[in-house]
Amino acid sequence: GQSLEQPSEVTAVEGAIVQINCTYQTSGFYGLSWYQQHDGGAPTFLSYNGLDGLEETGRFSSFLSRSDSYGYLLLQELQMKDSASYFCAVSAGATNKLIFGTGTLLAVQP
Amino acid sequence: DTAVSQTPKYLVTQMGNDKSIKCEQNLGHDTMYWYKQDSKKFLKIMFSYNNKELIINETVPNRFSPKSPDKAHLNLHINSLELGDSAVYFCASSQEGLAGRSSQYFGPGTRLLVL
Repeated sequence: GQSLEQPSEVTAVEGAIVQINCTYQTSGFYGLSWYQQHDGGAPTFLSYNGLDGLEETGRFSSFLSRSDSYGYLLLQELQMKDSASYFCAVSAGATNKLIFGTGTLLAVQP
Repeated sequence: DTAVSQTPKYLVTQMGNDKSIKCEQNLGHDTMYWYKQDSKKFLKIMFSYNNKELIINETVPNRFSPKSPDKAHLNLHINSLELGDSAVYFCASSQEGLAGRSSQYFGPGTRLLVL
């Protein structure tokens, strides 16, 4: 079967750094993506890792270890607007479909 | 300019009714998707079309029927609505680039409430 695990909730303060972990089990793995979703909004793409290592995009970085079936999203210099749900998603199978994790609700406090 | 649009944004209806949700993308993408997000925010793929051809059909009741008249449009028709169909339905699109990499662009969602 296919499954992804990530923490359900994380709390941090403005200006801090937070790491959201994701472990997965899947066959035909292509890569790991991260999406952000504000309450009442649509998921928006943040990053993608197809190979092992770190990808950096501004304040956000994402890491993948294929051998450990593990990845994380790192958010630096947290801002109040970063309060949202964050989903990891694996691209898998012949059709390269996205399978989403259950999401991590990040609450940024002043 | 709206990249992926859906109509309607809200849909409140009675059990047993039939309803449709429409989706359009102006990004020139080849692939479109329908997702269902339940009250616990679990996001699950339902269908995917590539150039009007059905490529993903997850275990979805056959009351749900997608239709893609062209690659910019993917509609979802739901027959005999049930209480459990209440959810947010998201349309998305993507363009396959490098193998395995495809960022998906989501529409604003359609909030369906079945009474």
